Amino acid sequence: DTGVSQNPRHKITKRGQNVTFRCDPISEHNRLYWYRQTLGQGPEFLTYFQNEAQLEKSRLLSDRFSAERPKGSFSTLEIQRTEQGDSAMYLCASSFPVMGTEAFFGQGTRLTVV
Amino acid sequence: TQLLEQSPQFLSIQEGENLTVYCNSSSVFSSLQWYRQEPGEGPVLLVTVVTGGEVKKLKRLTFQFGDARKDSSLHITAAQPGDTGLYLCAGSSNTGNQFYFGTGTSLTVIP
Repeated sequence: DTGVSQNPRHKITKRGQNVTFRCDPISEHNRLYWYRQTLGQGPEFLTYFQNEAQLEKSRLLSDRFSAERPKGSFSTLEIQRTEQGDSAMYLCASSFPVMGTEAFFGQGTRLTVV
Repeated sequence: TQLLEQSPQFLSIQEGENLTVYCNSSSVFSSLQWYRQEPGEGPVLLVTVVTGGEVKKLKRLTFQFGDARKDSSLHITAAQPGDTGLYLCAGSSNTGNQFYFGTGTSLTVIP
């Protein structure tokens, strides 16, 4: 399978715990995006990388959210001190760094904070 | 912030009917994508339109990009229950740095 892969698919955590999600993009894609999606809404942009450089992170929801892509391949999204409002689907997508190219999404990680 | 608005937000139709979903913005996009998403899954790319006025057909689905590249429509002919899902439009900025998603249209096709 050469698509975008996200792990885990589901995560249930207690409020206050830290969680980390992983995304493996399509191997030829330089760009990697993280989105958050709540029920019935369109995905909300969080951050993106070109190779290992995080070029936009101002849309991360708070300083509890951070993302890394240390070697320009897979990426991780960490949420510290989770809150119930963090419950959502977290989506990763990748694309070529060409203007107007399309993004391909993974299956997402469903986070539930109890 | 660029914003894409989709209409209608919800649509429930009988199998065999036709429907059109609209995606509108005040901003110009270098390209626009349509995705379909099923519950618990990530969005799946249906089509990308790039040129103003472009029309693309994918079996029973017809996609159109507005002449000014600010809006798009998705028309489904003879809808089937398998078409049920959340339809999302997404615009790519001129720098290609972000994909701005629409608010989504939840389609239910009743057998």
